[in-house]
Amino acid sequence: AQTVTQSQPEMSVQEAETVTLSCTYDTSESNYYLFWYKQPPSRQMILVIRQEAYKQQNATENRFSVNFQKAAKSFSLKISDSQLGDTAMYFCAFIGGFGNEKLTFGTGTRLTIIP
Amino acid sequence: GAVVSQHPSWVICKSGTSVKIECRSLDFQATTMFWYRQFPKQSLMLMATSNEGSKATYEQGVEKDKFLINHASLTLSTLTVTSAHPEDSSFYICSAYQGAYGYTFGSGTRLTVV
Repeated sequence: AQTVTQSQPEMSVQEAETVTLSCTYDTSESNYYLFWYKQPPSRQMILVIRQEAYKQQNATENRFSVNFQKAAKSFSLKISDSQLGDTAMYFCAFIGGFGNEKLTFGTGTRLTIIP
Repeated sequence: GAVVSQHPSWVICKSGTSVKIECRSLDFQATTMFWYRQFPKQSLMLMATSNEGSKATYEQGVEKDKFLINHASLTLSTLTVTSAHPEDSSFYICSAYQGAYGYTFGSGTRLTVV
């Protein structure tokens, strides 16, 4: 079975600072995808960033970047120059195996950006 | 971008009645739709997977007779909570699979059973 673990239930950081959210996963699959989703107070799920396991280069989307450590099965999200609008729940998610389309979500990290 | 319209956004119903939640993919065809339930301050729990034109596949522990899922067309999937009870109160979210490991989520439905 595939599992996704987020060890930080809550985090807070001052506006404009950098914050890193942790995520580890466990799988026996060799080909898989990893995602970070954001759920703001509106509760709309928004894709932040995704990483294909076969790509060695870490994905980056503007202020958001990941540190993908395949051997350690670690997939952390770094938010640079944090903004008030980044306040949200962040979920790490995994999908793996040929033909599998089901996402497995972590338990989430509640991030609060302090003005 | 791809949009999934989910309605209603919130609903209050009396215990014993049924409630239908709709998810429509507006600008793409969704052959597969996932239905999730989310308790306050918790993660998304997958309830079932529906494929257009076939019966839904339910996750272990989910009552298929209580949570009826229909995916009659490539753009519409529905979740009906039958004989709802207060313990069914929750936030329900749909997610359409677009292919190439892309997903579009609906905006969610807050169900309160009184």
